[in-house]
Amino acid sequence: GESVGLHLPTLSVQEGDNSIINCAYSNSASDYFIWYKQESGKGPQFIIDIRSNMDKRQGQRVTVLLNKTVKHLSLQIAATQPGDSAVYFCAENRRGSGAGSYQLTFGKGTKLSVIP
Amino acid sequence: ETGVTQTPRHLVMGMTNKKSLKCEQHLGHNAMYWYKQSAKKPLELMFVYNFKEQTENNSVPSRFSPECPNSSHLFLHLHTLQPEDSALYLCASSQGPSGANTGELFFGEGSRLTVL
Repeated sequence: GESVGLHLPTLSVQEGDNSIINCAYSNSASDYFIWYKQESGKGPQFIIDIRSNMDKRQGQRVTVLLNKTVKHLSLQIAATQPGDSAVYFCAENRRGSGAGSYQLTFGKGTKLSVIP
Repeated sequence: ETGVTQTPRHLVMGMTNKKSLKCEQHLGHNAMYWYKQSAKKPLELMFVYNFKEQTENNSVPSRFSPECPNSSHLFLHLHTLQPEDSALYLCASSQGPSGANTGELFFGEGSRLTVL
């Protein structure tokens, strides 16, 4: 079935290095993608988003890349810090069953561990 | 302070108990959501409410009963649950039905439910 998934369940990165977290999606009709960060004991927190008419979007220390040809999404974190340790989820936005409603469908998540 | 408050943060209940989870959002949003987060599974959408009306029920068993008395409050009534229902239940809100404009959800910190 259609799904949003992540290539790797865990990622360990040295502090100061760049991190790249990948995500594959299968619904070509999805037009909006989001990355969320979930720290231990907390709810997911929005990081950055991108629309399907874009290939790249940059935020503060984060960059999201979208490759629609291969249905691939990635999150790049520059100069990774200990505070970046968390589980990262990609999500795709697709129409729900209710009129005018949308659903965010989440991937399984990648746990990022930053080594001091 | 996330703007979305969930109570209780932790709940232990027997299979014959009846309990409720509460969510309140202080962001002036119109849409509210219940998600279930189990270990090793993606976030699962349960219910969506838009302007107090339920717009999504993602094939959730009837032992979970949502209630949305107004746009700021959302409840999840629980009765005759099973041990496999043990999970983190996350409430979220968004400005409109998720994705109409941004799809950005604001999550609470969750209610950790254990069913014995």
